[in-house]
Amino acid sequence: EDQVTQSPEALRLQEGESSSLNCSYTVSGLRGLFWYRQDPGKGPEFLFTLYSAGEEKEKERLKATLTKKESFLHITAPKPEDSATYLCAVEGDSNYQLIWGAGTKLIIKP
Amino acid sequence: DSGVTQTPKHLITATGQRVTLRCSPRSGDLSVYWYQQSLDQGLQFLIQYYNGEERAKGNILERFSAQQFPDLHSELNLSSLELGDSALYFCASSATGWAEAFFGQGTRLTVV
Repeated sequence: EDQVTQSPEALRLQEGESSSLNCSYTVSGLRGLFWYRQDPGKGPEFLFTLYSAGEEKEKERLKATLTKKESFLHITAPKPEDSATYLCAVEGDSNYQLIWGAGTKLIIKP
Repeated sequence: DSGVTQTPKHLITATGQRVTLRCSPRSGDLSVYWYQQSLDQGLQFLIQYYNGEERAKGNILERFSAQQFPDLHSELNLSSLELGDSALYFCASSATGWAEAFFGQGTRLTVV
């Protein structure tokens, strides 16, 4: 069964303190892994798509990496405005549904 | 602004009633998806339409139905509403498949 697990559930960092969020997945034939950011009461905002192991993508203070079993979202020198819930989702070749993780709630304190 | 428009933004209704949520996808996007997100819960996939046809079904209740019209806008119909249906309902669209789906700001449904 396709599954996505994100850890930790919540992460509190000081401004400037770099860290990583984890997304572990089990899927039959990975078609793509997606990272989104969601602010409270808002719709998820697309960040990255990764398609194959070894792929990396960057955007401002965020960098996403992918292996055959997991993806990491590295955040470098975060700012309070990076506070949000970060969601990971995967698409496999068994069906058309995206499988979503429960998210990591990131809080950056000034 | 993602380019996906959902109306209404807020909806308060009584148990047993029926409501319709509307979604206009980004220009040119053929796929529309509906999600439900309850308070502090993850995204629950409901249903996907591609160019007017149902493509995938998730955990959608029989009391719920959706359709995509020729102009590609979509409607989600929720009937016989229960208190537990109170949630944020999101619509997302993408050009093809699942890559880079863009979400609307959601409709917050409150059933009283």
